[in-house]
Amino acid sequence: QVTLKESGPALVKPTQTLTMTCTFSGFSLSTSGMRVSWIRQPPGKALEWLAQIHWDDDKFYSTSLKTRLTISKDTSKNQVVLTMTNMDPVDTATYYCARQYNWNNHFDYWGQGTLVTVSS
Amino acid sequence: QSALTQPASVSGSPGQSITISCTGTSSDVGTYNLVSWYQHHPGKAPNLILYEVSKRPSGVSDRFSGSKSGNTASLTISGLQAEDEADYYCCSYANSLYVFGTGTKVTVV
Repeated sequence: QVTLKESGPALVKPTQTLTMTCTFSGFSLSTSGMRVSWIRQPPGKALEWLAQIHWDDDKFYSTSLKTRLTISKDTSKNQVVLTMTNMDPVDTATYYCARQYNWNNHFDYWGQGTLVTVSS
Repeated sequence: QSALTQPASVSGSPGQSITISCTGTSSDVGTYNLVSWYQHHPGKAPNLILYEVSKRPSGVSDRFSGSKSGNTASLTISGLQAEDEADYYCCSYANSLYVFGTGTKVTVV
């Protein structure tokens, strides 16, 4: 059974760095073709893809946010970590992690998401 | 990497069919047959309902179907049911990156 769960602070202050962790089970990120992405949704707005990490440690970032994002993985812990620097109130959103397997380009399993509020 | 364009809302009566469009560019929808669709009930995780334009994952109702023409992909929900009331998002692969649509709220009236 594949599950993903996001964890991180519910509240961060402007200019701080956000660190989010996606802990998953039911698959291994060392399996060829496996990938995990981060996606967010500001309140009342659309989904936005942020970053993706591949089984071979290849990494890809949203063009508009790439200077602020870093994605990494700890295969032994079944975790993917996303950091976002210089947080701003517009970054207030529910942050999701989601899986892609077998080189597929769709997200077949998602976490429940966690709301991060940026406020002083 | 601009968001794909979807209508903000679509409504229909039970039993009717509705279609949601998803318009991109030649850099995403127009080039790749890698459009997926997600149903999202607020407060829950998004749920994959179509991938690679028209393929349904196991367990997804055949009332959901997809197509693509040029830079526009479409999701059709036939035999609309109350449980279909949700937000729907398209997503396209775009040269190692991904772009989501602006989202469509489906209301069953």
